[in-house]
Amino acid sequence: DGGITQSPKYLFRKEGQNVTLSCEQNLNHDAMYWYRQDPGQGLRLIYYSQIVNDFQKGDIAEGYSVSREKKESFPLTVTSAQKNPTAFYLCASSSASGYEQFFGPGTRLTVL
Amino acid sequence: GNSVTQMEGPVTLSEEAFLTINCTYTATGYPSLFWYVQYPGEGLQLLLKATKADDKGSNKGFEATYRKETTSFHLEKGSVQVSDSAVYFCALSKGGSEKLVFGKGTKLTVNP
Repeated sequence: DGGITQSPKYLFRKEGQNVTLSCEQNLNHDAMYWYRQDPGQGLRLIYYSQIVNDFQKGDIAEGYSVSREKKESFPLTVTSAQKNPTAFYLCASSSASGYEQFFGPGTRLTVL
Repeated sequence: GNSVTQMEGPVTLSEEAFLTINCTYTATGYPSLFWYVQYPGEGLQLLLKATKADDKGSNKGFEATYRKETTSFHLEKGSVQVSDSAVYFCALSKGGSEKLVFGKGTKLTVNP
């Protein structure tokens, strides 16, 4: 089945540590996105990539970094510079000329 | 810029009640419009969409009609079930390289 996978589902990290969230898609989509969702809140765009080896900052990129070395993969690193990283992180993808985005199941990150 | 405004929740209904969640948008041209649903602890799933004025999207008993004259895309269901309890997001896209623009989400709770 085609889709988007995110791993792990739950992630715990200590303050001061960097952590990388995985996102893989086999939909042959060109564009990929990372969102952050806080309890009871909407989605905020962190980074997006419309093509391999290229990505742009979203609305809340500070303290995060990404890479896009392969079409299928768009990992997100939450760095120690992110002051409040505890949140639910969602990855999504879309075709280059498409309108709708398809979402993964999410990763819940908790900083201890 | 483009924006989406949806009614604030939470919305609490009894089973078999009629549901309306209002959504209005601001955008130039003719965006595509979407409703996504998020069940607890999961990612977002596309519920329905409409790509041009007067289109009606429908799925799982939910409907929404793209009203250009009122810039609206209200979500309706004639008889809700407990399993419809979720957060519902309205969104728009201009397509191509444009990002999705989301509303803040409306939490629906259906009681038996």
